[in-house]
Amino acid sequence: DTAVSQTPKYLVTQMGNDKSIKCEQNLGHDTMYWYKQDSKKFLKIMFSYNNKELIINETVPNRFSPKSPDKAHLNLHINSLELGDSAVYFCASSLSGVSYNEQFFGPGTRLTVL
Amino acid sequence: GQQVMQIPQYQHVQEGEDFTTYCNSSTTLSNIQWYKQRPGGHPVFLIQLVKSGEVKKQKRLTFQFGEAKKNSSLHITATQTTDVGTYFCAGVSGSARQLTFGSGTQLTVLP
Repeated sequence: DTAVSQTPKYLVTQMGNDKSIKCEQNLGHDTMYWYKQDSKKFLKIMFSYNNKELIINETVPNRFSPKSPDKAHLNLHINSLELGDSAVYFCASSLSGVSYNEQFFGPGTRLTVL
Repeated sequence: GQQVMQIPQYQHVQEGEDFTTYCNSSTTLSNIQWYKQRPGGHPVFLIQLVKSGEVKKQKRLTFQFGEAKKNSSLHITATQTTDVGTYFCAGVSGSARQLTFGSGTQLTVLP
């Protein structure tokens, strides 16, 4: 019954490695997002996809590449991981075109780069 | 770009005391949302305000949207330990297509 799910929940890896985080939503939403939350709890949007098309791409290093195979999935691939990439990454989804466009967040993926 | 400031960053209160967090935007907002994130959890939507001067209540929580639609507040009456967490405001300005989150207020309630 999970609305927005992410895998893995924890990810510990070495600097320079490449890793992916997967996200799926079963809410029938057409818009999905990736957020990064740092150690001070600040939530910053990274990407947003609407109907599989990229609509927001904030100032994020091009080592981060999102991929949306369909409306229900938005994956995040990170190349050449750096220490500063350590954070919690949240996937979220919402329904566009409605006034009450609350976002539903996944449980988060805690990434630790050693 | 749009900036949303939130104060205070941290707040410790004794159980039973009141708590308020304030949110200020550099631009006029079309709407503002509030989210709560429990420790170790993810942000969960609480409410959305749309109209200038709007006030909404959810039990002990009172949300206000400023007349100029550039600021908002969340007030909790008689805090309980279950209120612990980080409270975020998030606003959408007229031309933006995304929510911009405030920096959050981390609330600790001491029993």
